[in-house]
Amino acid sequence: SQELEQSPQSLIVQEGKNLTINCTSSKTLYGLYWYKQKYGEGLIFLMMLQKGGEEKSHEKITAKLDEKKQQSSLHITASQPSHAGIYLCGADRTGANNLFFGTGTRLTVIP
Amino acid sequence: DAGVIQSPRHEVTEMGQEVTLRCKPISGHNSLFWYRQTMMRGLELLIYFNNNVPIDDSGMPEDRFSAKMPNASFSTLKIQPSEPRDSAVYFCASTQDQGHYGYTFGSGTRLTVV
Repeated sequence: SQELEQSPQSLIVQEGKNLTINCTSSKTLYGLYWYKQKYGEGLIFLMMLQKGGEEKSHEKITAKLDEKKQQSSLHITASQPSHAGIYLCGADRTGANNLFFGTGTRLTVIP
Repeated sequence: DAGVIQSPRHEVTEMGQEVTLRCKPISGHNSLFWYRQTMMRGLELLIYFNNNVPIDDSGMPEDRFSAKMPNASFSTLKIQPSEPRDSAVYFCASTQDQGHYGYTFGSGTRLTVV
């Protein structure tokens, strides 16, 4: 959806490097979701952020939502080949269960 | 829990044929969603149900597409007649409590219409 812009569209990093993926909306969001997808598979839920300024971490992945609830970042520390895949941000604008997605960021981690 | 179960995993059909995709949501989840994923358009929401009732079908491309949820444990997405431009991966997802715990996606059905 053009309502959610993700950057970069693709990213190639060396194993062990840190990286950041961004997700931006022109409108205030009710909830922001991060998912990971491996080729040919379904989406795996990573994190949901709902409050302005909220930050969550799971293992080496940290996601933040800005105070205005229009921008989120996903940061991976010390990347590993297992982190490779497509990262998608999804958003619910109204709290009405209408989850729409950005175009995704394809991450490649070189061993 | 086995997660969201979709069938078939792959479907190849000829243009003009009817195609039915199936989904079993996670037990206890009260919302179910159908998405379509293509390279050109990304992941698009087609329709979603809450407590088996269709709430928003504005994403359904045209009248050739229809979806039903006869009970809390089963949903179908039907395309009749199918066209080559319908080729995509179709995902089903379910959630409870308005997605506060995330939406759980199935493995998808890869549809190819020739």
